[in-house]
Amino acid sequence: GQQVMQIPQYQHVQEGEDFTTYCNSSTTLSNIQWYKQRPGGHPVFLIQLVKSGEVKKQKRLTFQFGEAKKNSSLHITATQTTDVGTYFCLPGAGSYQLTFGKGTKLSVIP
Amino acid sequence: DAGVTQSPTHLIKTRGQQVTLRCSPKSGHDTVSWYQQALGQGPQFIFQYYEEEERQRGNFPDRFSGHQFPNYSSELNVNALLLGDSALYLCASSKDRGTYYGYTFGSGTRLTVV
Repeated sequence: GQQVMQIPQYQHVQEGEDFTTYCNSSTTLSNIQWYKQRPGGHPVFLIQLVKSGEVKKQKRLTFQFGEAKKNSSLHITATQTTDVGTYFCLPGAGSYQLTFGKGTKLSVIP
Repeated sequence: DAGVTQSPTHLIKTRGQQVTLRCSPKSGHDTVSWYQQALGQGPQFIFQYYEEEERQRGNFPDRFSGHQFPNYSSELNVNALLLGDSALYLCASSKDRGTYYGYTFGSGTRLTVV
């Protein structure tokens, strides 16, 4: 199935630093969803982006969908230890969601 | 409002055996998807059930089969277990195939094949 490239695979940041993860697709997507999985937990839905150039914010989290709908990013401002986990993107094509990206594992050093 | 319920939480099986995992979706959801997640990896899509039919399937062998019941609950069956089938099996429910409101995941079933 269609794949997205998610980068970086790992990110270690000091508490208070910013963090960004990217999902890149070679084809146009109908939507993209973002999930967070805490260590030992299960994925939790964060947000869905549908429109070209869309930007959505959830407190310190900012999600963007590229103009061409081929890439997306998740940016966390001033990370906290509660942000620790793996962030996955899940692209959509037509009426189906496809394959999860490999995820970006975020570690926050207090 | 109950979320997604999976049973059992943990399971140990012997190679060659068969296993059935169960999932009750969140209230109001009509679609159930199953994922396999190996340690340190992202969830791998197995298949999705909607209106009691398998609507979409990932790259998994026929040893993996499933069923959805009229009450939207679902089962995942794996035959002829291999050591490589050891993983966390996640059930995710959604409304309208998850393309609008995302998936709600259960806590998973940890399957160990020995």
